Parts: sequence; structure tokens; C-alpha cells
Amino acid sequence: EVQLVESGGVVVQPGGSLRLSCAASGFTFDDYTMHWVRQAPGKGLEWVSLISWDGGSTYYADSVKGRFTISRDNSKNSLYLQMNSLRTEDTALYYCAKDGDYGDYVFDYWGQGTLVTVSS
Amino acid sequence: QSALTQPPSASGSPGQSVTISCTGTSSDVGGYNYVSWYQQHPGKAPKLMIYEVSKRPSGVPDRFSGSKSGNTASLTVSGLQAEDEADYYCSSYAGSNNLRVVFGGGTKLTVL
Repeated sequence: EVQLVESGGVVVQPGGSLRLSCAASGFTFDDYTMHWVRQAPGKGLEWVSLISWDGGSTYYADSVKGRFTISRDNSKNSLYLQMNSLRTEDTALYYCAKDGDYGDYVFDYWGQGTLVTVSS
Repeated sequence: QSALTQPPSASGSPGQSVTISCTGTSSDVGGYNYVSWYQQHPGKAPKLMIYEVSKRPSGVPDRFSGSKSGNTASLTVSGLQAEDEADYYCSSYAGSNNLRVVFGGGTKLTVL
């Protein structure tokens, strides 16, 4: 059974930094592209970033480019999101999502999310 | 403001059909067949319902169908059931030079 478990969400002050983690199990992690998707409280979904199976390609939404860095450790079946220069508008539930069983750019499994709150 | 435009709400009675639209541009919805639809119940993670415009993952009832015409994709739910009440989001691949994925703002489907 595919499982994605996010962690690392906390309350942080504007301008601060945070690293989110996503532990994957139930599939061959290093075969798949992975994504981060976020959802602000009461709002819709927003794609944040993706990383290719080997970490060789990464892409970001314009809203986080230059501040967030996605990475992965295939030896640990783990996905990460380093978040710097945090803003109040980054407050959201952050989901990691798996790609690939149904083609590219399709989120076929999601974690339950980890909540990041940026507030002074 | 979301990149793809969805109506904020839709409704129908049990047994009826309802269609939700998702309008983009030639740089996303209209340019590629990478349109997906997700269902999200309150407090839950989204669930994939349709991929590549009209394909259903295993386990998704055939009451759910997708289509596309030009820059607008659509999700149709036939034979509405109470458990179909949820938020629905469309998404699309958008561009190769500045690769990104874009979502619609979501549609709250109410089963009357």
C-alpha cells in the first residue's frame, strides 16, 4: 500500500526557514517524480514544486522560486522541501504527492499534509 | 487568482447529472492532454478521479467522465449520489520552457 507521510510543519515567523519531509513507502520511490502541493486554509490547491526520479530536474511555481528548494534522498525514500524567507502567504497545508502511475503531471497518491503557519 | 477558471459551485439532485467546467488557455488546457480532476472531501486529501482529460483510474466509478473542447475541460458526474458531494479541482500541465502545473480554484458540488 502506498503511504506518504509529511512532517515538519510548525508555526514560524515571517522571514524564517523550515524544512518539510515526506516519508514514502509501498512503492519503488526512486522510480517516480514527486511533487509538493499546498492548500491555504479554506482555499484551493496550488502546485509548489516537482523533482524528477533522480533529483536531476526540479521546477517551481513562480510564487516560491528562489525561496524554496525541493530535494530527495532515494536511499531514505524521502522527499524534502526547504522553505526560506517565509511569508504570511505561505501559510498552508503542504501535501507531498506521487506522480507517474497514470502518466506525467498526475498526482495519483497524496499524503495527509503538514500544516505550516507563518505568523508573528 | 487561480490559473484555471472553475465555477465556485454546482448542484444537482440524486440521480441527476452535473457538469463542471475548467477554462484555461492554449498554454495549458488547450495545448496538452494533461488535464486531471481531483475530488476532495472536507478534511481529507484530494483523490484522483480523471487523468489525461478522460481516463479513469482503477476504482473510480464510471459515473465520472471527462472531456475537453479547445481551452475548456469538463467533468461530468452522472447518477449523482450523496457521497459525490465534495470539492472538485481541475489541473493541467502548463508549458515546457517554464514547466509548471496549474490548478483551478475548485468547485463545491452540492447534492440537493
